[in-house]
Amino acid sequence: LAKTTQPISMDSYEGQEVNITCSHNNIATNDYITWYQQFPSQGPRFIIQGYKTKVTNEVASLFIPADRKSSTLSLPRVSLSDTAVYYCLVGGSGNTGKLIFGQGTTLQVKP
Amino acid sequence: KAGVTQTPRYLIKTRGQQVTLSCSPISGHRSVSWYQQTPGQGLQFLFEYFSETQRNKGNFPGRFSGRQFSNSRSEMNVSTLELGDSALYLCASSWGDYNEQFFGPGTRLTVL
Repeated sequence: LAKTTQPISMDSYEGQEVNITCSHNNIATNDYITWYQQFPSQGPRFIIQGYKTKVTNEVASLFIPADRKSSTLSLPRVSLSDTAVYYCLVGGSGNTGKLIFGQGTTLQVKP
Repeated sequence: KAGVTQTPRYLIKTRGQQVTLSCSPISGHRSVSWYQQTPGQGLQFLFEYFSETQRNKGNFPGRFSGRQFSNSRSEMNVSTLELGDSALYLCASSWGDYNEQFFGPGTRLTVL
């Protein structure tokens, strides 16, 4: 499974757009990129998944360049409730139920 | 549709004891994975069960074991508890796209 690198922490203010970039230089051809969000003392929650280009859902957007060696999670107009740890994961859909979590990015949203 | 449930939510044990944690996946999900989360090591994969068979295992000692029943409910057992086993134990289920797993609230285990 490809190793991921993301910033340990980020600060933002309410109403701003937040972009969290993840590096995955050794991504394999059949790997997908998945992002999870975790609040303290809760289980992670799936946010978004993509393979290439751009994916958007009601919560976030995921931008993946052509070489797929990195990806950017974009959170539009964050609020205090978006304060959480965000994990970037890379793996193929056939790798069964084994997710490898890195250290994640702690996002602190300030008023 | 009900989410993933885990029982108990909190547990206090002493060193040397054993513990069993339970997980009920989302109805229809056949894959159940278990994770351990600690401040020092982060989220680590323990094992995964699919149709009552262990399909994947992480790098944990044999004291950690699990099983899955025919209704997809799963249990994990930790024997001879050590202080370092204090952690949040998370269970997750999925139906097919294993990158999208649904996590339960976790069981907070404290070993004294």
